[in-house]
Amino acid sequence: AQKITQTQPGMFVQEKEAVTLDCTYDTSDQSYGLFWYKQPSSGEMIFLIYQGSYDEQNATEGRYSLNFQKARKSANLVISASQLGDSAMYFCAMRGASVGSQGNLIFGKGTKLSVKP
Amino acid sequence: GAVVSQHPSRVICKSGTSVKIECRSLDFQATTMFWYRQFPKKSLMLMATSNEGSKATYEQGVEKDKFLINHASLTLSTLTVTSAHPEDSSFYICSARRDSRAGELFFGEGSRLTVL
Repeated sequence: AQKITQTQPGMFVQEKEAVTLDCTYDTSDQSYGLFWYKQPSSGEMIFLIYQGSYDEQNATEGRYSLNFQKARKSANLVISASQLGDSAMYFCAMRGASVGSQGNLIFGKGTKLSVKP
Repeated sequence: GAVVSQHPSRVICKSGTSVKIECRSLDFQATTMFWYRQFPKKSLMLMATSNEGSKATYEQGVEKDKFLINHASLTLSTLTVTSAHPEDSSFYICSARRDSRAGELFFGEGSRLTVL
């Protein structure tokens, strides 16, 4: 069965420090994609970063990087130099060949990140 | 970047009435759109997959007659909550899938429905 696990319901980080949000996944698909989304209090879902299962290098997008460890089935999000505006819910998601015929995503339960000044 | 607009952002209605929520992809065509429901402090739960020009595919446990989905064009999908009840009160979010290597989803701003 497809599953995304985020074990940290809430995290605190000091402004300007780096923080890692954990995500592990379970799938029998050989080809799959991993995503991270940010959801601020306004509710909108903001796409942050994508990692394909066959990508050899870890994905990076500005201050966001994805620590992809395929053998461990983990896809942790690293945010460098945290900013107050980073305070939000963060969702890890996966898309695979068997995750719905249309390739929809399944989501983890999310991690609430709070950045302290 | 790709933009998906959802309207209305907030709606309050009386029990028994119907409410329509629109989801538009503003700068790309979306053959496939998705509708999610999010309960407070919970993750997103997929309700249905909306396909342009064909019937939507509903997830198990989602009432087709309660949540009507119409995907009439490549840029517009609508969700109609029929005969709404207080238990339908929730945050509804749509997403549109862009055709690309990643096939990433772009989300609307969400619609908060309150049924009195």
